[in-house]
Amino acid sequence: DVKVTQSSRYLVKRTGEKVFLECVQDMDHENMFWYRQDPGLGLRLIYFSYDVKMKEKGDIPEGYSVSREKKERFSLILESASTNQTSMYLCASSTRDRGNQPQHFGDGTRLSIL
Amino acid sequence: SQELEQSPQSLIVQEGKNLTINCTSSKTLYGLYWYKQKYGEGLIFLMMLQKGGEEKSHEKITAKLDEKKQQSSLHITASQPSHAGIYLCGAPTGGGNKLTFGTGTQLKVEL
Repeated sequence: DVKVTQSSRYLVKRTGEKVFLECVQDMDHENMFWYRQDPGLGLRLIYFSYDVKMKEKGDIPEGYSVSREKKERFSLILESASTNQTSMYLCASSTRDRGNQPQHFGDGTRLSIL
Repeated sequence: SQELEQSPQSLIVQEGKNLTINCTSSKTLYGLYWYKQKYGEGLIFLMMLQKGGEEKSHEKITAKLDEKKQQSSLHITASQPSHAGIYLCGAPTGGGNKLTFGTGTQLKVEL
């Protein structure tokens, strides 16, 4: 089974801090994704990566950056955390094999910015 | 851009009852994924549909993609408390295996 592991289930940080959210997958997947999930807004894509050192902006990249130095690890960085970044953050990965392939998700990180 | 609308937004059923959740797309679907999410947790992949008219089942959950490939339904037979959670549909969009998701249907199953 695919295992996507997010470093923290719950995290509390202060406004202005630099925040790192880590995600590791063990299935040698090429694609990795970061989403945030908010009530009434559903899942929104922040950034995704289809290979090491490659990244593309999703629908809401403002205030975030990402890093993918190794294939198995995809980090989301909040450069200067703000209260409107309080949310549930979900990481996912998928293979780039031919045809549609499902994304597999981690358990999520519930981040609160005070 | 593609939009997915789910109905109903929330649903409360008694244990043992059947129920259906719908996912309607603004554009032709070239694949449709169903996920389940327990409160505060990640998404669990349930099923993927690709062809018009395709139907798949897993235990008591059946999903179908209509012939026109613009709507999918998820049907649960004889609901149980373990079926409670949020059900989300997702569709491929923009290449790179990206998905657009519906806003979800929250299901509660009462004893």
